[in-house]
Parts: sequence; C-alpha cells; structure tokens
Amino acid sequence: DSGVTQTPKHLITATGQRVTLRCSPRSGDLSVYWYQQSLDQGLQFLIQYYNGEERAKGNILERFSAQQFPDLHSELNLSSLELGDSALYFCASSARQTNTGELFFGEGSRLTVL
Amino acid sequence: DAKTTQPNSMESNEEEPVHLPCNHSTISGTDYIHWYRQLPSQGPEYVIHGLTSNVNNRMASLAIAEDRKSSTLILHRATLRDAAVYYCILRDYGGSQGNLIFGKGTKLSVKP
Repeated sequence: DSGVTQTPKHLITATGQRVTLRCSPRSGDLSVYWYQQSLDQGLQFLIQYYNGEERAKGNILERFSAQQFPDLHSELNLSSLELGDSALYFCASSARQTNTGELFFGEGSRLTVL
Repeated sequence: DAKTTQPNSMESNEEEPVHLPCNHSTISGTDYIHWYRQLPSQGPEYVIHGLTSNVNNRMASLAIAEDRKSSTLILHRATLRDAAVYYCILRDYGGSQGNLIFGKGTKLSVKP
C-alpha cells in the first residue's frame, strides 16, 4: 500500500460526458502528479501541483484540468470525453516539489469511454 | 531529461539472478539514475536509485558503470512476483520539477 488513494477505481461513461477523478496523497506529501497510461502511449505525465499551485505541465489536453485543494487532495477533471481518453489515470505524490524525492503512486482509476 | 534505452523484454527463471540493462549515454553530472517497476494492474513503485556508486537495498542492487553511461538493475533471486515492467529513468537533481519521464521500459517475465 503506497498510501495514495484514488477514486473511483473504475468508471464507464459515454463520449461527450465529463468526469472527475480524485486523489488523496500520502499524509504529509505536498506534491501531487497526474499520469495517463494508455496501451499505445505508455505512461504520460499530465500535470504536477505543489501545495495548491501548479508546478509543471506535461501533455495535458485543454479539455482536461486539475486542481489541488487546501487539504492537499487533488482532482482531475476530464470533459468532452472522446473514445481515445479511455485509459488508466494514475496519481502520485511526493514530499517535495523537486526531483529529489521518491514518487508514490496510487492504484489508478480506469476510465472507459463508450 | 536525458534519454535511456532499455530492451523491450527479458525472460528469467524463478530463483535465478536477473540483470536488467539500461543505457544512458547522454547522462549529465546532476542526473541520478532511478528505477521504478510496474506490476500488472498496479501503479509504478520505486525500486532503487544511485548517482555514481553501486547501491543495494532490500529489493535490488544497482550497478553503475564507471563512466555512468550505463547501469544494470540486479534482482538477486527472481520470484514470480518480480514479473513487471522495469523503468530506468534519469532525474536531474538540479531541476525544479519533480515529475518522472517514463520510457517504454523492459517487460520482465519470470518462469517457474
């Protein structure tokens, strides 16, 4: 158990819909990261937050947005969903914002868009 | 971040040692070598990391070439539970961001 909690574990929805994925980081971790893993693209970094502020952006689509709340949990919002958005979405946390700490990953949220 | 090259797949027999290679010929002085692995249906997990010297922990050993252009993750006795995708990642400790950049990794199969 990494200490990172993601909900829901599975989600099935239709094209054009909007979903929210939730992540609770390890106790005390200030950084949260979101990753997308699809079969053909591997693990792709989406976005990082540190103590409520955006720190780094990766290959995140404009239809996607995220935020980190004062209690440090984070949400990833995916809108106008397309079939290609079907993937595993992982959240990770670390104590620091820089490259010197280990990342702890949750078990992921599997999104299926029909 | 500098790039790494790993074999797509490797096979091992249970209870035998496994040597997973990684090439990183463009590594810079501030790059640490990190290894993560992803078991089936799970998120990635940290395995080990090092800078110049060889490193050991309860999970594995990391052997780093003297010129740092390659490294090898060593699992001393593979178990069925070690079947996973292993990622070799360079992290610039001089950088201001914390995200990991994953490549394709090496898929390790372990035969009983």
